[in-house]
Amino acid sequence: SQQGEEDPQALSIQEGENATMNCSYKTSINNLQWYRQNSGRGLVHLILIRSNEREKHSGRLRVTLDTSKKSSSLLITASRAADTASYFCATLPAAGNKLTFGGGTRVLVKP
Amino acid sequence: DGGITQSPKYLFRKEGQNVTLSCEQNLNHDAMYWYRQDPGQGLRLIYYSQIVNDFQKGDIAEGYSVSREKKESFPLTVTSAQKNPTAFYLCASSPGQYNSPLHFGNGTRLTVT
Repeated sequence: SQQGEEDPQALSIQEGENATMNCSYKTSINNLQWYRQNSGRGLVHLILIRSNEREKHSGRLRVTLDTSKKSSSLLITASRAADTASYFCATLPAAGNKLTFGGGTRVLVKP
Repeated sequence: DGGITQSPKYLFRKEGQNVTLSCEQNLNHDAMYWYRQDPGQGLRLIYYSQIVNDFQKGDIAEGYSVSREKKESFPLTVTSAQKNPTAFYLCASSPGQYNSPLHFGNGTRLTVT
């Protein structure tokens, strides 16, 4: 079974709006990572947040982590058509060495 | 530019044939990984290698085989024993530390008929 589960599965917004997606996981983690995948391409790493961190920023991206709720969120502010992609969370267990990916959130940003 | 090269981008095979997917990296990374992605789904780990001449099974290794004879190369063979081989295959690498992000290639789409 997948460690991380994204919600929603799909999201459609207008350019300029913010996009928020969530990731829930089941077991304690070392870190949680967010990746982006354009259609038919490989994944690109966006942000890594460690279990002792609560929030990280990178440009228009903001990631939060709540280990008590075993959840994380990715916020894309002022979205652009070029942000259209699938976004995946991946978790590295506290006792393990294998990164496990969720099913992804498909984001469509309409111009 | 450093990166990961997967070839070919598209691959077609007849059922019952083995096929080998290539993955080469020039990032000097110790660890390499193979993932499978089915339409609309996440990635599932097939095999991974933390060091040359060593590799471990991932979550869905049945019907697949790998080798790691060189640091920069990690080919994946999809054997005839794999029941549903049609999928998008992604190769990745990392410096080796477990908390390092992965760098991905652009994938090989395998279609078996």
